[in-house]
Amino acid sequence: QKEVEQNSGPLSVPEGAIASLNCTYSDRGSQSFFWYRQYSGKSPELIMSIYSNGDKEDGRFTAQLNKASQYVSLLIRDSQPSDSATYLCAVRSTGGFKTIFGAGTRLFVKA
Amino acid sequence: DAGVTQSPTHLIKTRGQQVTLRCSPKSGHDTVSWYQQALGQGPQFIFQYYEEEERQRGNFPDRFSGHQFPNYSSELNVNALLLGDSALYLCASSSPTGVGEKLFFGSGTQLSVL
Repeated sequence: QKEVEQNSGPLSVPEGAIASLNCTYSDRGSQSFFWYRQYSGKSPELIMSIYSNGDKEDGRFTAQLNKASQYVSLLIRDSQPSDSATYLCAVRSTGGFKTIFGAGTRLFVKA
Repeated sequence: DAGVTQSPTHLIKTRGQQVTLRCSPKSGHDTVSWYQQALGQGPQFIFQYYEEEERQRGNFPDRFSGHQFPNYSSELNVNALLLGDSALYLCASSSPTGVGEKLFFGSGTQLSVL
């Protein structure tokens, strides 16, 4: 079982729609969860962090965490073509210092 | 405020050679992590340096080694290069505060091994 799992996609949504990206993790003791955006040929950029169960909103982005189900999601409202990128889910491991990344989900927003 | 800087941007080597990649962390950050990202994959943790010591290491062979200097900058060295070492090498800096260690990435070094 992979430590952080994501659907590789691609996920295609029309402009203005809600994009929903999902992630599961295996370490039940994990406390810190992140979403990074990576444009093609660029490096990852942090867009959201979440540490407690529930929803956290920042502009058009909402991160959702359910520790009981070991599930993290990212919702992007009013999706724009500029949101087209790979979204990486990342989890800080317990008992250590490394952040573990999923393989990423490719998102395409069609104009 | 300078972000994370990495050099060189691109590098072409042949099998068996050695390579050194460099990273300067974001101002105010004291921790440097190195990641390897193969095409179509997520970043894989190589190791993390803090207070000039390797604090944690991922599942990479001893051919991968590193160093952190007193000014917090860091180097990644890879010996006896293999074709499979071709990847984007990312440096990320952070300042550990509590449980949330947010990573800030440099633009990466694209290494091609021929």
